[in-house]
Amino acid sequence: SQKIEQNSEALNIQEGKTATLTCNYTNYSPAYLQWYRQDPGRGPVFLLLIRENEKEKRKERLKVTFDTTLKQSLFHITASQPADSATYLCALGLSTGFQKLVFGTGTRLLVSP
Amino acid sequence: DAGVIQSPRHEVTEMGQEVTLRCKLISGHNSLFWYRQTMMRGLELLIYFNNNVPIDDSGMPEDRFSAKMPNASFSTLKIQPSEPRDSAVYFCASSFKGPGNTIYFGEGSWLTVV
Repeated sequence: SQKIEQNSEALNIQEGKTATLTCNYTNYSPAYLQWYRQDPGRGPVFLLLIRENEKEKRKERLKVTFDTTLKQSLFHITASQPADSATYLCALGLSTGFQKLVFGTGTRLLVSP
Repeated sequence: DAGVIQSPRHEVTEMGQEVTLRCKLISGHNSLFWYRQTMMRGLELLIYFNNNVPIDDSGMPEDRFSAKMPNASFSTLKIQPSEPRDSAVYFCASSFKGPGNTIYFGEGSWLTVV
């Protein structure tokens, strides 16, 4: 069956450390992958997009990798801050007639001062 | 720009009642998505419109759900009759050209059916 797996347990880290979140998928062939941030009571906010032919993408303190062989994306936040505390969602972009976005359930990140 | 605007933000209704959720797209966007979010199932795509035309409604749970886009900037999602299992957060999102581009979400409509 098709699955997108993100760690359902919250990730607790200390301020200044690097946070690494994982997105694994099964039986999908995404053309691209996106990461979103969602704060409590708010809608998801787009952060980064990486295409299937790209290995790595960076934006300020954010870095995303995409390994289509392992069927995995890693999302890194360097020099993490308490303001980075949120739920982070990965989404697979599927080219199925039209481009469809399928979301994982998200991982909650807590950054302690 | 004001972003994607959804109303109501919160709705509590009794089982069997009709619920209408509303969405105003970002000006200039031509793609509209309705998503539903629950703890168990996460974010699920219900329906996708492009240039006012429904492209994929395979995520619509059943005939009780219907969505319309009467013009390029506005959409409604209707549930009739509502059931307790419909309780969720319903998000509207828009983009220019489609899902391959950045999707902008509204703040959601929190629906509770009792």
